[in-house]
Amino acid sequence: EIVLTQSPGTLSLSPGERATLSCRASQTVSTNYLAWYQQKPGQAPRLLFYGASSRATGIPDRFSGSGSGTDFALTISRLEPEDFAVYYCQQYGRSPYTFGQGTNLEIK
Amino acid sequence: QVLLVESGGGLVKPGGSLRLSCAASGFTFNDYYMSWIRQAPGKGLEWLSNISGGDTTIDYADSVMGRFTISRDNAKNLLYLQMNSLRPEDTAVYYCARDRPWWDLLTPFEYWGQGTVVTVSS
Repeated sequence: EIVLTQSPGTLSLSPGERATLSCRASQTVSTNYLAWYQQKPGQAPRLLFYGASSRATGIPDRFSGSGSGTDFALTISRLEPEDFAVYYCQQYGRSPYTFGQGTNLEIK
Repeated sequence: QVLLVESGGGLVKPGGSLRLSCAASGFTFNDYYMSWIRQAPGKGLEWLSNISGGDTTIDYADSVMGRFTISRDNAKNLLYLQMNSLRPEDTAVYYCARDRPWWDLLTPFEYWGQGTVVTVSS
């Protein structure tokens, strides 16, 4: 199975700062079938990006997704208070679909 | 609008069984793969299984293969997860999610239910 490793595990930043989250795959993710999700406490995950860089409906443009092959990134250009949450990457190109362990983006 | 509502969770003893349901509305159910994902307390997300719209294609994670069975009833817009031989490590919130449509394999879990809690304990 494809193992996804997210870094850092926890990222402490202040509102207005830029956040860069990394997701590295143990094997090439076919056709960039790589997604990013945001999850807040007590809520279901919310799709942010699919196909590595295609923004899902309603996602603000301060969020961007990039990467290909085995290295992917989620960038938030200027953090808003509502952006502090846990972020997961997921590959869905090969079964079993797998998620990274998550990055906890917390307020500094 | 798209709505997914899970039910069937609860407390069960180790070795027991439980069947989860997911009621779907707001879209053409049989056009979409559907998936089950779970999240253990304080842990990350784990994909468990998916099923194609015509239930011709089914996949499972190794952790549940042989114990869990996914199925669907397209006439009733219902997705199921039959869980047998439950273990304490199966304790989690179980989510159903709308997977990809048959014509677009690029768009993954855009819609999720609110989750149902399964606790496996004696």
